[in-house]
Amino acid sequence: ETGVTQTPRHLVMGMTNKKSLKCEQHLGHNAMYWYKQSAKKPLELMFVYSLEERVENNSVPSRFSPECPNSSHLFLHLHTLQPEDSALYLCASSQEARGPYEQYFGPGTRLTVT
Amino acid sequence: GQQLNQSPQSMFIQEGEDVSMNCTSSSIFNTWLWYKQDPGEGPVLLIALYKAGELTSNGRLTAQFGITRKDSFLNISASIPSDVGIYFCAGLRGSQGNLIFGKGTKLSVKP
Repeated sequence: ETGVTQTPRHLVMGMTNKKSLKCEQHLGHNAMYWYKQSAKKPLELMFVYSLEERVENNSVPSRFSPECPNSSHLFLHLHTLQPEDSALYLCASSQEARGPYEQYFGPGTRLTVT
Repeated sequence: GQQLNQSPQSMFIQEGEDVSMNCTSSSIFNTWLWYKQDPGEGPVLLIALYKAGELTSNGRLTAQFGITRKDSFLNISASIPSDVGIYFCAGLRGSQGNLIFGKGTKLSVKP
């Protein structure tokens, strides 16, 4: 595997379910990110991790809970979501979190909350 | 807050035509990135710009970092059907590491 991978690619869940999104990067990067992409809106940064430490949390509701066990893996745990949380969730990585480093994206998980 | 204005929102062109799109802001950026996103996929990095006035090419794509540091341009020459997709600009201010994204330009190419 190369680049940034995400699983699952598609997920349908009810509002009472608990699920997790997984991201893995094979680029040797030290920073990883979660973004939310909704129709007709710019990408919204949710969380930033640098060397497994959370350095940014952009006022994201607590029903989204990130986890970064090591610099190659990032999870987004979901529970009691709302229909408006349906979106494409993108993971990205970069060499470092601070500085002019390019971010590389995974293919995303298309989440539908019913 | 910080905002990037990307235009046009959409373009519908004939194969073989050249394409121009741009991104502007009221704030100064130190880095500009251009991405392309195909349906059902994540954005793919096309070009990165780091210095005001910089002009960088990637095949038929050329991007420029505006001299005022408040804008950037992407040109595609001799478009082909596989150029179809949504093109995003993204800017980075200072060394914060948080990219600000435009809303995208949707490109459609008629064979």
